[in-house]
Amino acid sequence: DAMVIQNPRYQVTQFGKPVTLSCSQTLNHNVMYWYQQKSSQAPKLLFHYYDKDFNNEADTPDNFQSRRPNTSFCFLDIRSPGLGDAAMYLCATSRGATSGLTDTQYFGPGTRLTVL
Amino acid sequence: SQKIEQNSEALNIQEGKTATLTCNYTNYSPAYLQWYRQDPGRGPVFLLLIRENEKEKRKERLKVTFDTTLKQSLFHITASQPADSATYLCAPSRGYIPTFGRGTSLIVHP
Repeated sequence: DAMVIQNPRYQVTQFGKPVTLSCSQTLNHNVMYWYQQKSSQAPKLLFHYYDKDFNNEADTPDNFQSRRPNTSFCFLDIRSPGLGDAAMYLCATSRGATSGLTDTQYFGPGTRLTVL
Repeated sequence: SQKIEQNSEALNIQEGKTATLTCNYTNYSPAYLQWYRQDPGRGPVFLLLIRENEKEKRKERLKVTFDTTLKQSLFHITASQPADSATYLCAPSRGYIPTFGRGTSLIVHP
């Protein structure tokens, strides 16, 4: 089945120690997204790639970076994790429908990040 | 700025009843609106999409309405089952990026 895969499912890191989360997709979608979700809150979009074009949200801290080396993979790098970065990180994909068309997001299972 | 409002309090209902969840939005004119289901510790899963020119959409026990005048969408689950217990997120959109609400938790009691 076509899907979105995230690894690892659970990640524990120490305060200030860089961490990388990975996402892969078999849907061949144009767009890959990274969201941060804290308990009982809406998923917060950090950034997305439309093909190779990187789009950063205005309020995403510089501490968060992303890489998309090819269509299938996308990485989230947190350069110096703070206690406030503990959250669920969700990767999603979509076709990237253009004007007048609808689009639907397909999410991975998420990576739960704990910062000690 | 865009604001999506979903009831933060959990909705508790008895099995077999109809659950109705509300999504209100302000400062926004979405072309379509989606509903997603999210189970604890998992990513959201797409359920239904309704366009601005559609009043109602159905899929099995699910029904969504969209009132662009009231700026509101209602999500109904008929004959609810304990397995329907989850958080339901609404996500209006104009382009390919939706804006997610925080979701409403639904608890269906046997």
